[in-house]
Amino acid sequence: DAGVIQSPRHEVTEMGQEVTLRCKPISGHDYLFWYRQTMMRGLELLIYFNNNVPIDDSGMPEDRFSAKMPNASFSTLKIQPSEPRDSAVYFCATTANPTLNYGYTFGSGTRLTVV
Amino acid sequence: GNSVTQMEGPVTLSEEAFLTINCTYTATGYPSLFWYVQYPGEGLQLLLKATKADDKGSNKGFEATYRKETTSFHLEKGSVQVSDSAVYFCAKRTSGSRLTFGEGTQLTVNP
Repeated sequence: DAGVIQSPRHEVTEMGQEVTLRCKPISGHDYLFWYRQTMMRGLELLIYFNNNVPIDDSGMPEDRFSAKMPNASFSTLKIQPSEPRDSAVYFCATTANPTLNYGYTFGSGTRLTVV
Repeated sequence: GNSVTQMEGPVTLSEEAFLTINCTYTATGYPSLFWYVQYPGEGLQLLLKATKADDKGSNKGFEATYRKETTSFHLEKGSVQVSDSAVYFCAKRTSGSRLTFGEGTQLTVNP
């Protein structure tokens, strides 16, 4: 099991550009979460999916952010246009069944820098 | 409120010292509680968990006991090692699927 795979590991982009972050969940994990980590705000839940359907996107900061999960093996988080304040580490996490308290498995994250 | 509060860091200890990182929570029900650890450049990893009052979670020499009366889940280790240097996050899950994380506590262990 390769775990949760995120790409790219690092992304540097100019303000105004579109950024797409990718996540491949662990096979069989029906829940997928996108988190953002910054020094100022810690870990923030942006959105989560269950069986590829977005369940709660109340943490998405604004319309510049969008997330999709076209199938059980892939999810994207897109920022368009990007701004310097979007600089953060973005984590994808997955789990099979939260109510069984297995905990989440996190990917290694994508460090985004917007200049 | 509906939050998780951790002791402020950073925490710096010498090897073999005793570690305590405090965590308290607020919740309307009886949440499941977790400690996660994040090593430099990596994602969070589940360290231990407890799902009901008086449960003790333990792993790799770390322990935490679910205290309903004090709404706490303090992390302890009797003798820390340099390799324990990391950021530690307390988290809770009430109903539903989301985890709420504390602010994280940076631990540095010096040889």
